[in-house]
Amino acid sequence: DQQVKQNSPSLSVQEGRISILNCDYTNSMFDYFLWYKKYPAEGPTFLISISSIKDKNEDGRFTVFLNKSAKHLSLHIVPSQPGDSAVYFCAASRFGSSGAGSYQLTFGKGTKLSVIP
Amino acid sequence: NAGVTQTPKFQVLKTGQSMTLQCAQDMNHNSMYWYRQDPGMGLRLIYYSASEGTTDKGEVPNGYNVSRLNKREFSLRLESAAPSQTSVYFCASRDVGSFYEQYFGPGTRLTVT
Repeated sequence: DQQVKQNSPSLSVQEGRISILNCDYTNSMFDYFLWYKKYPAEGPTFLISISSIKDKNEDGRFTVFLNKSAKHLSLHIVPSQPGDSAVYFCAASRFGSSGAGSYQLTFGKGTKLSVIP
Repeated sequence: NAGVTQTPKFQVLKTGQSMTLQCAQDMNHNSMYWYRQDPGMGLRLIYYSASEGTTDKGEVPNGYNVSRLNKREFSLRLESAAPSQTSVYFCASRDVGSFYEQYFGPGTRLTVT
């Protein structure tokens, strides 16, 4: 059973417009959520995160929104740039899910974002 | 400061062969992780080491073994490779102070024929 779902495998957006990437989760015990960005032939890099006690976190052009009642989070990129073209992974975790200190992350399948110049 | 390094970058094995994937981090992180990524799939945790001297199974541990050699190094061993283990393998590390954020290496692309 997939606990973190990214239902859109791909998304195309014009440069300068807003990109919205969505993520749903099923485990209500998750208390921390992260977005990772991955370019081809590279490892994922951390982008932005949000704790379950917040509903918004902003870092420059990137904003993550969390709707706990809907078990939904979204990543907004404004304005989108061609360099943002990558695969974006949503990840979730909860403290001590497998023992204190484990901090395991559960990843979605990713959304491939293409920003068209 | 190289971050997380993985060797080799690419490897082709025949079914039944064994090999060890190496991972090292120079950030003095306590926790280290091994993931695999398959086409159309997210990253799935194979094994992790919460701290030096401890290792635990993740979501997909079958067919793999790990060794936390010291605080810097965490290796993944395939004793008898199978085509189902064809994948891209990522190592990651986490600092005790960075909460949930993990830092990833560049990956090893493994093909088993």
